[in-house]
Order: sequence, then C-alpha cells, then structure tokens
Amino acid sequence: DQQVKQNSPSLSVQEGRISILNCDYTNSMFDYFLWYKKYPAEGPTFLISISSIKDKNEDGRFTVFLNKSAKHLSLHIVPSQPGDSAVYFCPTDKLIFGTGTRLQVFP
Amino acid sequence: DAGITQSPRHKVTETGTPVTLRCHQTENHRYMYWYRQDPGHGLRLIHYSYGVKDTDKGEVSDGYSVSRSKTEDFLLTLESATSSQTSVYFCATRMGTEAFFGQGTRLTVV
Repeated sequence: DQQVKQNSPSLSVQEGRISILNCDYTNSMFDYFLWYKKYPAEGPTFLISISSIKDKNEDGRFTVFLNKSAKHLSLHIVPSQPGDSAVYFCPTDKLIFGTGTRLQVFP
Repeated sequence: DAGITQSPRHKVTETGTPVTLRCHQTENHRYMYWYRQDPGHGLRLIHYSYGVKDTDKGEVSDGYSVSRSKTEDFLLTLESATSSQTSVYFCATRMGTEAFFGQGTRLTVV
C-alpha cells in the first residue's frame, strides 16, 4: 500500500529555470508533508515541510504547495542551480519514502 | 548533524551467514529507523523503533530482525543473508518532523 507516489522518476532542468517536483498521496490523514533530498553516497537530508492545514510554505528558493482536494503536493525550486541535482523524496509523516525523483540541473 | 554512526560502512558476506549492522546515535532521539536503498525502489522502510525494546515492522521486513536494548543503539540483523539483501542500508533517527540519516552501510552478499 503505497501512500505517496512520485510518478516522474527523473526531471532535467536548465540552470536558472524553475524545477517542479510532484507527489500524489492516497491517505488524507497525514498531519504534515515533507521533502527530502539525497545526494549519491549520502543519507537523505530534510529540505522543507508543510502542515496539512496550510497550502503553501516557502523557504528561500524552495516552495512547497499542498492541494488537499487533489491530494497533490509539489516542490518548486526557483532558480534551479547545478547543486540542486539530487534525488528528491516526499515521505509521509510516518517516514515512508517511496521511489523519489531524480533532478538534474544542467548549465 | 544528529550524531548518527553506522557500522560497518562496508561489508561483504557470504550467502547464508548472519550479519548485524549497528546504528548508534548521540542525540537521545526516541525514534529510530532502518531503510534499504535499491535502484528503482527508492528508500524502503525495513523496521523502526519508537523506544527501548519497542519495535515494529516496515514495508520490507521479511528476512530482517531488529533490537533496541538502549536508546542510542538500533541493531539490524540479517539472520541468513541472501543475495537479494545486497543493498545500501541507512539508519535514521527522528526529532519532531525531521529525520536525520547516517552515512549508510553498503552490504554485498555473495
């Protein structure tokens, strides 16, 4: 029973442009939603979160949007930088991670 | 850095042998987790612990057992290693909404 799905396994974006990463979830009972990023050979690191009672949270270049009616979560990175190239996960608040989306930002 | 140390960092073992991976934390976090990372599967939760001697199964617990006799240590044991358990294993602790991960253990079962 996969509670969150990231349907795009990879995304390629030019430096300076916007990166949009998406998650769809099946369970409406989560208290908050999370985004983590992972570089090769390292453990994931926390990026940003959003409470289930909000629809937007912003932290610098990173903004997370929550559409509860559509059960959809998205992460916007503006402007994208080469250092953002990593795998991004949107785990549930029970820390079920899923398959992730690999973002590549090219010059 | 939540002071999470995984040991060993690399291990090669033979099929059928028992293997124990150790996760040690210095932050006194209540929750601890074990994951495996595999191509095409992302990160999958094996077992987790919500306190000393309190553990529960995750998504892919078959073939694995865990123990937590002290707050700071969470052990993952492969009772009889199989080639399908070749993977990178990550330990994590949790404080509030944020999880902190170790550097990973690369396990190869030959």
